[in-house]
Amino acid sequence: KQEVTQIPAALSVPEGENLVLNCSFTDSAIYNLQWFRQDPGKGLTSLLLIQSSQREQTSGRLNASLDKSSGRSTLYIAASQPGDSATYLCAVIDGNKLVFGAGTILRVKS
Amino acid sequence: EAQVTQNPRYLITVTGKKLTVTCSQNMNHEYMSWYRQDPGLGLRQIYYSMNVEVTDKGDVPEGYKVSRKEKRNFPLILESPSPNQTSLYFCASSWAGTYAQYFGPGTRLTVT
Repeated sequence: KQEVTQIPAALSVPEGENLVLNCSFTDSAIYNLQWFRQDPGKGLTSLLLIQSSQREQTSGRLNASLDKSSGRSTLYIAASQPGDSATYLCAVIDGNKLVFGAGTILRVKS
Repeated sequence: EAQVTQNPRYLITVTGKKLTVTCSQNMNHEYMSWYRQDPGLGLRQIYYSMNVEVTDKGDVPEGYKVSRKEKRNFPLILESPSPNQTSLYFCASSWAGTYAQYFGPGTRLTVT
């Protein structure tokens, strides 16, 4: 059974710092991996999708990498801003469903 | 604007009173799915649909029903809600189960 773990569970950084969020999964036979952002009480916003054949994807200040062999993905956020404060969720596309990690709660202090 | 919509956004009901949460997408996606989010348990899939009239159980289907009569709509039905179904519910859609999924804004359900 696929399990997804995210480390750290919470992170607090000053504005302007570069940071890395980690995601690991137990079964490397995944189709794709998707990173989401969730604001308190709100829905999930898709940030990046990495296909299983790709190593990384970039969107603005965000860069996500995927290493299937080691079962790891990282989300790199450059020059963090207070508006980046949210919960970040990693999910692997396993068959016909997403298997989610518990998330990393990020707080960027101004 | 491409989007997934859910209604209602908030609902408080009593045990045993049947309810339906609607989900609609305007992206012509074939795949749709329902998840519930609970503190400490994260997001878990309830049901999914690969296309019209094709539905299948996810990880936590007990107490729920779904139907897919039209491509754009995928309602979630609770025939006899119980307090353990109090949760935040999300509908999602995609071109296929292995593609990027797009989520609705969520429905916060409280069953007393």
